Amino acid sequence: AQKVTQAQTEISVVEKEDVTLDCVYETRDTTYYLFWYKQPPSGELVFLIRRNSFDEQNEISGRYSWNFQKSTSSFNFTITASQVVDSAVYFCALSEAIDAAGNKLTFGGGTRVLVKP
Amino acid sequence: DSGVTQTPKHLITATGQRVTLRCSPRSGDLSVYWYQQSLDQGLQFLIQYYNGEERAKGNILERFSAQQFPDLHSELNLSSLELGDSALYFCASSVGGLAAVDNEQFFGPGTRLTVL
Repeated sequence: AQKVTQAQTEISVVEKEDVTLDCVYETRDTTYYLFWYKQPPSGELVFLIRRNSFDEQNEISGRYSWNFQKSTSSFNFTITASQVVDSAVYFCALSEAIDAAGNKLTFGGGTRVLVKP
Repeated sequence: DSGVTQTPKHLITATGQRVTLRCSPRSGDLSVYWYQQSLDQGLQFLIQYYNGEERAKGNILERFSAQQFPDLHSELNLSSLELGDSALYFCASSVGGLAAVDNEQFFGPGTRLTVL
């Protein structure tokens, strides 16, 4: 069974500090996709980034960057120069093909990020 | 705004009752997913529909059922409600297609269900 673990339950930083969120996953699939979602206090889930299992190139998108290491089954996410608006719960998710027809997301437990001014 | 709409936003009901949650996917998306977010279980996948057909099932209770209509909107029916069913229920949609593991899912604002 697929599993996603986010060991950090809560991180508190001061504005402008960098924040790195850890994510470790388990899967038997050779092809899979990893996602990060953000859930601000308002409650909605916002898609942030996606990475497939064949592409370990790390990227930067604005203040977001991610480090995907297949060898350690980790997909870490960094927010650079954090802002108060970044305060939210962040979820790492693994996309799993149920069979030839269906798929689902398996979520980690989430990491609450609190950015203080 | 993700483009996915869910109604109602809040629902308060009593144990033993039945409720229906409604979801309209983003324009053009054929897949609809339902998730439950509770304090003790976290975010859990319930069920997926693609173009009107059930495609994947997760930890969905027998008391719960869903369907996707020809206009692609979906409804999640929860019956014989228990206190433990209190949760935030999300609908998500994606472009879909066979085994669309690469699709990002866009989530609606959720329906907060409180069972008293």
